[in-house]
Amino acid sequence: DAGITQSPRYKITETGRQVTLMCHQTWSHSYMFWYRQDLGHGLRLIYYSAAADITDKGEVPDGYVVSRSKTENFPLTLESATRSQTSVYFCASRGADTQYFGPGTRLTVL
Amino acid sequence: GENVEQHPSTLSVQEGDSAVIKCTYSDSASNYFPWYKQELGKGPQLIIDIRSNVGEKKDQRIAVTLNKTAKHFSLHITETQPEDSAVYFCAAAGSDGSSNTGKLIFGQGTTLQVKP
Repeated sequence: DAGITQSPRYKITETGRQVTLMCHQTWSHSYMFWYRQDLGHGLRLIYYSAAADITDKGEVPDGYVVSRSKTENFPLTLESATRSQTSVYFCASRGADTQYFGPGTRLTVL
Repeated sequence: GENVEQHPSTLSVQEGDSAVIKCTYSDSASNYFPWYKQELGKGPQLIIDIRSNVGEKKDQRIAVTLNKTAKHFSLHITETQPEDSAVYFCAAAGSDGSSNTGKLIFGQGTTLQVKP
């Protein structure tokens, strides 16, 4: 089915561990985005990508790394997880003006 | 950079009443203003959007108004129904110069409760 998917949907990890959140879209959209959602902050942009091998920082990029070797995939890596990175993470892709969001990954860092 | 403020943070209405959510933005160059609805456990979903060259847009029971001079825009939901209960986010596409990334800056969200 066409759409945007995220995996895993839930993840518990420990401080200092590396964790990668996956995002896959089937529309071949050029632009993809990663947001985090925290109470009182709405959605904040972490990183975005204009195309394969083109990425740029958003509002809150510290502690995160992204890559985009293929148009359809946009993984987000927390190189050394911290408790402050406990959040719900949403991936989105952009078609025309509309951003389409995935179902989210709830990450807990203990 | 762009900043978006959204009010109220919570809103409770009786079924059938109207609901209004307001947002202000700081960057006068912003030209695209979408509204998203987020149901529990799901990702945000676009419900309506408006461009800066339009003052008002309607889609059945929902409408959005934009006042560029005052830099604010509002979501209006009429004849509310229990299934309208959700979190609503406004957003603004900030100015990116020559590039059109469509980066969105979101408001903090409004939790709407529609009581039967």
